[in-house]
Amino acid sequence: DVKVTQSSRYLVKRTGEKVFLECVQDMDHENMFWYRQDPGLGLRLIYFSYDVKMKEKGDIPEGYSVSREKKERFSLILESASTNQTSMYLCASTQKGGGGGANYGYTFGSGTRLTVV
Amino acid sequence: GENVEQHPSTLSVQEGDSAVIKCTYSDSASNYFPWYKQELGKRPQLIIDIRSNVGEKKDQRIAVTLNKTAKHFSLHITETQPEDSAVYFCAASSSGSARQLTFGSGTQLTVLP
Repeated sequence: DVKVTQSSRYLVKRTGEKVFLECVQDMDHENMFWYRQDPGLGLRLIYFSYDVKMKEKGDIPEGYSVSREKKERFSLILESASTNQTSMYLCASTQKGGGGGANYGYTFGSGTRLTVV
Repeated sequence: GENVEQHPSTLSVQEGDSAVIKCTYSDSASNYFPWYKQELGKRPQLIIDIRSNVGEKKDQRIAVTLNKTAKHFSLHITETQPEDSAVYFCAASSSGSARQLTFGSGTQLTVLP
């Protein structure tokens, strides 16, 4: 019944490595999001995408990039991992907003806990 | 951009008592306000939501109220049970291109048996 799948549950990477976090959804959702979750800070939006090849910066995009080549897949890339990027990363998706009755609720993945050493 | 503040950060209640979590938002254009529950080690799950044309919504023991004028909304849980123990997040969504959500910082609710 899993609808949003994140490729790794736990990752340990070294400082300076290039890191790829993958997210796949099977609900044909247009919108996909990457958040990071840190204690006391809630969920903060890194990047989002509302269509294939479209991407927009969220609140904390520095040090990250994204790729959306197919509708079902949204990748988060850490170009050069740093220790301050140690965090829980959550992917989410939702259908395109529209008129009344549209379901805007997010479906989250299980998260990837990334540790950068 | 939108800013959502959530209080309290921790809340302990006796089983059977009520719990209230409050959030304020800054962007008057925000029009959708969901609440998510995250149990330990699990993904956040939507538990209830409200749109800006509604003042209150109820689903069994859970209710959400919205005051657009004051730009605040609240989650009310009645007759709390130990399984209500979790972190609760409020969020607000504007009419942006992807209706992206801005989340509050979370409330750790503990229901004491």
